Amino acid sequence: DQQVKQNSPSLSVQEGRISILNCDYTNSMFDYFLWYKKYPAEGPTFLISISSIKDKNEDGRFTVFLNKSAKHLSLHIVPSQPGDSAVYFCAAIIISSGSARQLTFGSGTQLTVLP
Amino acid sequence: AAGVIQSPRHLIKEKRETATLKCYPIPRHDTVYWYQQGPGQDPQFLISFYEKMQSDKGSIPDRFSAQQFSDYHSELNMSSLELGDSALYFCASSLGSRTNEKLFFGSGTQLSVL
Repeated sequence: DQQVKQNSPSLSVQEGRISILNCDYTNSMFDYFLWYKKYPAEGPTFLISISSIKDKNEDGRFTVFLNKSAKHLSLHIVPSQPGDSAVYFCAAIIISSGSARQLTFGSGTQLTVLP
Repeated sequence: AAGVIQSPRHLIKEKRETATLKCYPIPRHDTVYWYQQGPGQDPQFLISFYEKMQSDKGSIPDRFSAQQFSDYHSELNMSSLELGDSALYFCASSLGSRTNEKLFFGSGTQLSVL
């Protein structure tokens, strides 16, 4: 049973426009969410995170929104740049469990930003 | 800045052979995590170590074992390899097991079992 779902395997966006990547989760115990970006032949790189006590976190061109009631989060990239083209993974953690932080990953969304 | 180093980058083995994957965390990081990403699959958590002790265990097969050494590097030992073990194995490190939510990943070891 997949606890973190990214239902769009790919997304194409024009340069300068907004990219919106979506993620849904089923485990209500998750209390911390992260987005990772992955280029080919590289490991995932941390992008931005949000605690379940917040509904929005912004860092430059990247904003993550969390809707706890819907168990949904989204990553907005504005404006999108060709260098943003990568696979984006949504991940979730149960920090309050007190154990080492196992990330539960979604299956990823391939973002392609067209020049 | 130094990143997480994994070796080798690529490894080709035959069925029933053994393999050892190495991970060198970012300096001062004391926690290491291993993830497995099969073709077309999500990265799956295998096992983690904090201060050289196993701290958490995920979907790691009994044929696999891992440890963290005194210099904090970690090795994932895989025996009786099966075709289904072909995957990208990521190692990640962090400072502390509870206070830092951000894991830093290596580039992975691509294991192919023939």
